[in-house]
Amino acid sequence: DAGVIQSPRHEVTEMGQEVTLRCKPISGHDYLFWYRQTMMRGLELLIYFNNNVPIDDSGMPEDRFSAKMPNASFSTLKIQPSEPRDSAVYFCASSFQYNEQFFGPGTRLTVL
Amino acid sequence: AQSVAQPEDQVNVAEGNPLTVKCTYSVSGNPYLFWYVQYPNRGLQFLLKYITGDNLVKGSYGFEAEFNKSQTSFHLKKPSALVSDSALYFCAVRDPGTGRRALTFGSGTRLQVQP
Repeated sequence: DAGVIQSPRHEVTEMGQEVTLRCKPISGHDYLFWYRQTMMRGLELLIYFNNNVPIDDSGMPEDRFSAKMPNASFSTLKIQPSEPRDSAVYFCASSFQYNEQFFGPGTRLTVL
Repeated sequence: AQSVAQPEDQVNVAEGNPLTVKCTYSVSGNPYLFWYVQYPNRGLQFLLKYITGDNLVKGSYGFEAEFNKSQTSFHLKKPSALVSDSALYFCAVRDPGTGRRALTFGSGTRLQVQP
């Protein structure tokens, strides 16, 4: 198995632009999680899905952030408009039921 | 609410010596506990977990952790540290009684193993 796949690995954009991060979970996993990691705030859960349905989005910082999971093999996290304070590493992770989560390599986002 | 604390920002140990990275947790029920490791510019990698059963859990790369319910702790240990163990370590907890599937992560402990 290729593991959790994220794209792009690096993204540099200017303030105000739309940013879309992509994730392909491990096949057969029924949970998908989006996290954000920064030096100041550590690892924060943004949102998670179960069987493609959003379960808890209480960690999404504001309305500029949105996430979708149109099918079991694909999810997106969108930021529109982006701001410099959104600069962080964004991780996607997946798991099967109660088991451990497997993380992707992350997308390093820089908003200028 | 579930929470986890890693009281040390950094742990320094000499190669060949035993290492311990501390973790304490707070949940209302019986916890599911996890340790992850993060190498520079990489995602988190699963090391080991405690769900139920034996309090001593063995995991990847020679690591083990001991679940102590009375002290609400789940410290990560290794008998002999390697320089290649230098990384950022995260403890995480989930309270299955809440129905919430997401993990709560600690702030991380940076392990530095000196040659």
